[in-house]
Amino acid sequence: AQTVTQSQPEMSVQEAETVTLSCTYDTSENNYYLFWYKQPPSRQMILVIRQEAYKQQNATENRFSVNFQKAAKSFSLKISDSQLGDTAMYFCAFMRLSPYGGSQGNLIFGKGTKLSVKP
Amino acid sequence: GAVVSQHPSWVICKSGTSVKIECRSLDFQATTMFWYRQFPKQSLMLMATSNEGSKATYEQGVEKDKFLINHASLTLSTLTVTSAHPEDSSFYICSARGRGVWDEQFFGPGTRLTVL
Repeated sequence: AQTVTQSQPEMSVQEAETVTLSCTYDTSENNYYLFWYKQPPSRQMILVIRQEAYKQQNATENRFSVNFQKAAKSFSLKISDSQLGDTAMYFCAFMRLSPYGGSQGNLIFGKGTKLSVKP
Repeated sequence: GAVVSQHPSWVICKSGTSVKIECRSLDFQATTMFWYRQFPKQSLMLMATSNEGSKATYEQGVEKDKFLINHASLTLSTLTVTSAHPEDSSFYICSARGRGVWDEQFFGPGTRLTVL
């Protein structure tokens, strides 16, 4: 069974600084996706960034980037130039892909990291 | 991105009554919908997966007779909590995935259920 571990329950960062959230996962699969989701106080889940396991290049989305280390099964999220609106719970998630393509789509979430951006 | 709505956004009911939560995909056809449960300060736990026109697949430990899921159309799935009890109080979130889309699912805003 797959597991996702986020070892940092809470973190804080000063506005405009950079912060890195860690995530490790355990799987015997070779084909999968990894995601970071943001859940602000409104509790609406928002996709931040995704990474296909077969891609060696780390995904980036504006101020958000990941450090994907497949062999180490590590998937950290770096937030640059932190903004007050980045304050939220951040969840790392894993999705298995079928070897024949496609997926049932089940997401397995970590326990989350509560990020506070301070002015 | 695609929009998923949930109704109601919050509901309070008496113990023993049933509550229905609707999840709608507003601008795309959702071939698969997922129902999650989130306790305060905890992560999302998948309850069940439903494909349009098929019976839902429940995760281990989720009572299918208590949490009835119907996915009768490509834009609507419902979760009915039957004979609700205070321990069923939680935040319920649905998500939906379109046909042939493997790498993204769109989340509804969630429904807060409080059972008195």
